[in-house]
Amino acid sequence: EAGVTQFPSHSVIEKGQTVTLRCDPISGHDNLYWYRRVMGKEIKFLLHFVKESKQDESGMPNNRFLAERTGGTYSTLKVQPAELEDSGVYFCASRATGTSVPNEQFFGPGTRLTVL
Amino acid sequence: AQSVTQLDSQVPVFEEAPVELRCNYSSSVSVYLFWYVQYPNQGLQLLLKYLSGSTLVESINGFEAEFNKSQTSFHLRKPSVHISDTAEYFCAVISNTGFQKLVFGTGTRLLVSP
Repeated sequence: EAGVTQFPSHSVIEKGQTVTLRCDPISGHDNLYWYRRVMGKEIKFLLHFVKESKQDESGMPNNRFLAERTGGTYSTLKVQPAELEDSGVYFCASRATGTSVPNEQFFGPGTRLTVL
Repeated sequence: AQSVTQLDSQVPVFEEAPVELRCNYSSSVSVYLFWYVQYPNQGLQLLLKYLSGSTLVESINGFEAEFNKSQTSFHLRKPSVHISDTAEYFCAVISNTGFQKLVFGTGTRLLVSP
């Protein structure tokens, strides 16, 4: 079974440019999460999809970030325009629909974004 | 809201020595606790978790963690580390309400040398 994949693995862009990150979750996982780690700090939640619907987007930093999950499969996270403080590692995770007890979130390898 | 504190950003240790990585959390509601590990150039992997029951939980590679409710801690321990344990370790919590978003600590880099 393929794990969570993310593309690209690295992206270097200039301030003001646009970047789109992609996440392919484990097949059949309805829940998809985006997290971000700014250098040296904690990994922070950005948002959560259930199928194609945004369940919780309380962690999105501002309106320069747009996440989509059309068709409830893969997800994209677009940053437009990128700023220096957007640099960091963006992780995607997926989780099967479970019970009230948490089941495992499976993480992708992350996309390292550098904004110059 | 929840928060997780990992006071040690880096822990150097010699091979075969014991190690403890500290984790404390704060929450106004009950939480579930996790340790994730990130090996170099890889994604995060679940190492172990506490959901309920016995407060001592173990992983398949010899790590263990003990949930201490009174001290709000979930320290990770291993009696004898290997070079291959070199990685970054993240403590995380999920509240028992909401939609299971993980709240992470800042991570502890474990450096095992020969």
